[in-house]
Amino acid sequence: RKEVEQDPGPFNVPEGATVAFNCTYSNSASQSFFWYRQDCRKEPKLLMSVYSSGNEDGRFTAQLNRASQYISLLIRDSKLSDSATYLCVVAYYGGSQGNLIFGKGTKLSVKP
Amino acid sequence: DAGITQSPRHKVTETGTPVTLRCHQTENHRYMYWYRQDPGHGLRLIHYSYGVKDTDKGEVSDGYSVSRSKTEDFLLTLESATSSQTSVYFCAISESGAGNQPQHFGDGTRLSIL
Repeated sequence: RKEVEQDPGPFNVPEGATVAFNCTYSNSASQSFFWYRQDCRKEPKLLMSVYSSGNEDGRFTAQLNRASQYISLLIRDSKLSDSATYLCVVAYYGGSQGNLIFGKGTKLSVKP
Repeated sequence: DAGITQSPRHKVTETGTPVTLRCHQTENHRYMYWYRQDPGHGLRLIHYSYGVKDTDKGEVSDGYSVSRSKTEDFLLTLESATSSQTSVYFCAISESGAGNQPQHFGDGTRLSIL
């Protein structure tokens, strides 16, 4: 079975802190990776796509290590508004259809 | 935000009754998906569609059927609802089904089966 594993947390950090989440996946043939954030009782929203070794968007940096089959998300200078659950998502290709496999999420709580 | 509307947003019904959830998109995307989200589980794919009248099963399709008669609408039907189908249901859309494009989600439907 294809698996995506995340530390469920919660990660409780003060404002301004740097926090990192890791995610491991089981299928080495995976080609595409995404990070979503999900606020309580809301829908998942795309945070970042990770197509190569990684990318950066403001305070957020995603890195991909294909050899070790993990993806990380680094958040610098945490804000109260960053409090959410972060979902690691891996795309698998099967036949003519690719599918996304979602991790269970890592909960982040940023405190004043 | 992607133009995705789910209806109803909340529903409470009794075991054994039929239930239909609707997903409507204004993005003209070819691919549409239905997921359920439960505590302790990641989002799990129920069914997906890769075009009008083209659908296929996902990981947890038992007890569910779908239909897509128009590009913009994807319906999820519980023929005879059971308590185990109490969940939050999300519809998603994407331009490509190859997995290299992200999916965008609707607001969700909270369904309670008593």
